[in-house]
Amino acid sequence: KAGVTQTPRYLIKTRGQQVTLSCSPISGHRSVSWYQQTPGQGLQFLFEYFSETQRNKGNFPGRFSGRQFSNSRSEMNVSTLELGDSALYLCASSFEAGANVLTFGAGSRLTVL
Amino acid sequence: GIQVEQSPPDLILQEGANSTLRCNFSDSVNNLQWFHQNPWGQLINLFYIPSGTKQNGRLSATTVATERYSLLYISSSQTTDSGVYFCVPGNAGNMLTFGGGTRLMVKP
Repeated sequence: KAGVTQTPRYLIKTRGQQVTLSCSPISGHRSVSWYQQTPGQGLQFLFEYFSETQRNKGNFPGRFSGRQFSNSRSEMNVSTLELGDSALYLCASSFEAGANVLTFGAGSRLTVL
Repeated sequence: GIQVEQSPPDLILQEGANSTLRCNFSDSVNNLQWFHQNPWGQLINLFYIPSGTKQNGRLSATTVATERYSLLYISSSQTTDSGVYFCVPGNAGNMLTFGGGTRLMVKP
């Protein structure tokens, strides 16, 4: 079966713009989590969605937001981009929320100029 | 939060060599996963191993939850094993906390 699909894979934006990233989980998986990876901060949890509801949110400013649709696909949005938002954004899915095995997508690499 | 210490932080191996990566964590956990991130950024779940021992091909992992450590064994290493290995213990479901990992380079 298909894995976790993230789009776009690469994108370049300028400061002040906004960006939307998409994540399609493995078929049947209902939980989607997002992580940000930067050289300085490493991998950090952004948020988790389950059944269209945000279950947990990491320590990120309000410029970072997300949502989940009824088909479990998820989007995250970053508004008013800053240079420090340049990162690899990884999405992971699991069958249920909670202590489950996560399957990660290939990531969306965002560069902010 | 749970503190994770992985050792060694960096490791260079000749192809065919064996290695052991160690992970110490600060609190009791009910969830521990080992991940491999390849040089292109793809994170692959290797093991879900809150306790006990598991094997998958050339890789095996052991977690001793009572002593708060986990080990990842790589035998007959290959260049494709290069990348970063993360040990991720936790209790908070899918809100995982990643440490710095062990960066492995396998030379041909």
